[in-house]
Amino acid sequence: GAVVSQHPSWVICKSGTSVKIECRSLDFQATTMFWYRQFPKQSLMLMATSNEGSKATYEQGVEKDKFLINHASLTLSTLTVTSAHPEDSSFYICSAPPAGGPGDTQYFGPGTRLTVL
Amino acid sequence: SQQGEEDPQALSIQEGENATMNCSYKTSINNLQWYRQNSGRGLVHLILIRSNEREKHSGRLRVTLDTSKKSSSLLITASRAADTASYFCAPHSGNTPLVFGKGTRLSVIA
Repeated sequence: GAVVSQHPSWVICKSGTSVKIECRSLDFQATTMFWYRQFPKQSLMLMATSNEGSKATYEQGVEKDKFLINHASLTLSTLTVTSAHPEDSSFYICSAPPAGGPGDTQYFGPGTRLTVL
Repeated sequence: SQQGEEDPQALSIQEGENATMNCSYKTSINNLQWYRQNSGRGLVHLILIRSNEREKHSGRLRVTLDTSKKSSSLLITASRAADTASYFCAPHSGNTPLVFGKGTRLSVIA
């Protein structure tokens, strides 16, 4: 099946620094990718929709200046958490439906655990 | 996008038993998908059932869909310790992102 990778798988950073998380579709192209955040023992919350070649669409309550999304190519989307604070510590997961497909199935990355000290 | 509501929130069974979890949703869909998440990992797609299907099987998984009741069920037969995970349903329509509820936390005790 289709594979989505994320890098890094975990990261620890100091408060105030920026962290970049990459999401790659390894064997298919994705014009759209989705970013989710998951706090412990909670469900995945959709943060934003990343669109190749255009601006991302953010869900209500998600600060676009804090969570910068760049969909640079048909296989890569990046999420940058700027000026990270401890409350940004979470599990970040991306997903992608294959381009040209029926848009039904999304393939999820393994997630990136961010810890902000 | 709409999220499904899984029930029960937690389920604990013995290895070898069957596990049934349910999902309810509110508006019409094109399909409904079930995903599994092991602790600290990403989601794994289990099965997709389309709105014109009533039942679908995949290995030890059996999914039903009742569009008149806006509900679905996931049955895992002969459960194993490795089935311990959280299970999420995702009702889906159009080319929209999947939205998830709280899921069902399944514990299979060896």
